[in-house]
Amino acid sequence: AQSVTQLDSHVSVSEGTPVLLRCNYSSSYSPSLFWYVQHPNKGLQLLLKYTSAATLVKGINGFEAEFKKSETSFHLTKPSAHMSDAAEYFCVVSDRASGTYKYIFGTGTRLKVLA
Amino acid sequence: GAGVSQSPRYKVAKRGQDVALRCDPISGHVSLFWYQQALGQGPEFLTYFQNEAQLDKSGLPSDRFFAERPEGSVSTLKIQRTQQEDSAVYLCASSSAVNNEQFFGPGTRLTVL
Repeated sequence: AQSVTQLDSHVSVSEGTPVLLRCNYSSSYSPSLFWYVQHPNKGLQLLLKYTSAATLVKGINGFEAEFKKSETSFHLTKPSAHMSDAAEYFCVVSDRASGTYKYIFGTGTRLKVLA
Repeated sequence: GAGVSQSPRYKVAKRGQDVALRCDPISGHVSLFWYQQALGQGPEFLTYFQNEAQLDKSGLPSDRFFAERPEGSVSTLKIQRTQQEDSAVYLCASSSAVNNEQFFGPGTRLTVL
């Protein structure tokens, strides 16, 4: 079965400092992995996706993630946090085994940015 | 361009009432997914359509939940005899083909009193 584990339910950083949101995956196939952001009362927005091309994936708003097969990780990073980054972040794996490619979400990491 | 839209955005129902939630996917998208997001949790898969065919309904929590997409476009998720545990945000997503990126609607927040 495919799954993702987000290692931190809450992360707090100061504005201007680096962000690290951790995600580990489990998959018997070469996975398709995504990071989505959800601002309060807003829909899910795709930040970036990995689909077996380059292992370092660049996304929107300065976010990037590195796929590490040896560590089964797909951590999300940003060099400098901005107040507008405060939101809920979800790591997602696409369930190829089901044939429907439905998304399997992690439990989420709430990012707080301190002024 | 138009994204995925859902209506109503908010729904309050008394326990035991039936509700219907609507999803308008992006025009031309063949794949449509429904997810349920309980408070403080990540979304969980409910059901999947490819055009009008419901190919996977393994995530529907009970036989009170029913989804349809009769013409391969708009979809409706119906919940009969709502219970308090049905309170959640219901998200709809569409994609242009299987294994393509899913685009999410804003969700319908259902509160069952």
